[in-house]
Amino acid sequence: EVQLLESGGGLVQPGGSLRLACEASGFTFNNYAMSWVRQAPGKGLEWVSSVSGSGSSTYYADSVKGRLTISRDNSKNTLYLQVNSLRAADTAVYYCAKGDAGDTFDIWGQGTLVTVSS
Amino acid sequence: DIQMTQSPSILSASVGDRVTITCRASQSISSWLAWYQQKPGKAPKLLIHKASSSKSGVPSRFSGSGSGTEFTLTISSLQPEDFAIYYCQQYHSYATFGQGTKVEIK
Repeated sequence: EVQLLESGGGLVQPGGSLRLACEASGFTFNNYAMSWVRQAPGKGLEWVSSVSGSGSSTYYADSVKGRLTISRDNSKNTLYLQVNSLRAADTAVYYCAKGDAGDTFDIWGQGTLVTVSS
Repeated sequence: DIQMTQSPSILSASVGDRVTITCRASQSISSWLAWYQQKPGKAPKLLIHKASSSKSGVPSRFSGSGSGTEFTLTISSLQPEDFAIYYCQQYHSYATFGQGTKVEIK
C-alpha cells in the first residue's frame, strides 16, 4: 500500500525553526518528485515546495523562498522540510504529497500541524 | 503567477442532484488542470487530472471538462459521501489551487 507519514509538527514561537519529515512506503521513492503543500486553518491549499527524485532540483513558492529548505534522503525513503524564521502566517497543516509542482499530487499524507504562537 | 478562481464558493444541493463547479484560470493552461476532493480533517484526494481524465477508482459520476481558461467538474448524481470541499489546481506553471467550493447538504 502506498503511504506517506508526516511527523515533526508542533507549537513553536515566532522566529523559531522546525524540521518536518515524511516517510514514504509502497513505491520506489527515488523515482518520484515529492512536494509539500500547506493549508492554514479554515483556508485553502497552498503549494510550498517540490524536489526532484534525485534531490538535485528544488522549487519554492515565492511566499516561502529563503526561509524553507526541502530535501530528501532516498536511502531512508524520507522527505524533509526545514522551516526557519517562522511567523504566524506559517501556521498550517503541512501535507507531504507525491508529485511535482508541474504535475498533479496523486498521493497525500495525513498532514502535520505547525502552530506558530508565543 | 497563474490565479485560479472557483465558483460558486458554496453550493447547496440534495442527494441525487447534478452539480457543476467552475474553475477559471487567469491565463491559458491548456489541459493542465486537476480536481481534488477534501473531507473535514482529511487530506485531499485526486479525482481528475489533465482536465478530464479520472484517476483509477474514482466513481464514474465524477467528470471533468474544459481547456484553456475555463473548466468544470460535474457530479452527475450527488451521493451522501460527496459532500466535501472541491479544489481545482493548475500545473501548467508550478502549482496553484483555487479557493475551493464547499458542497453542502440543502
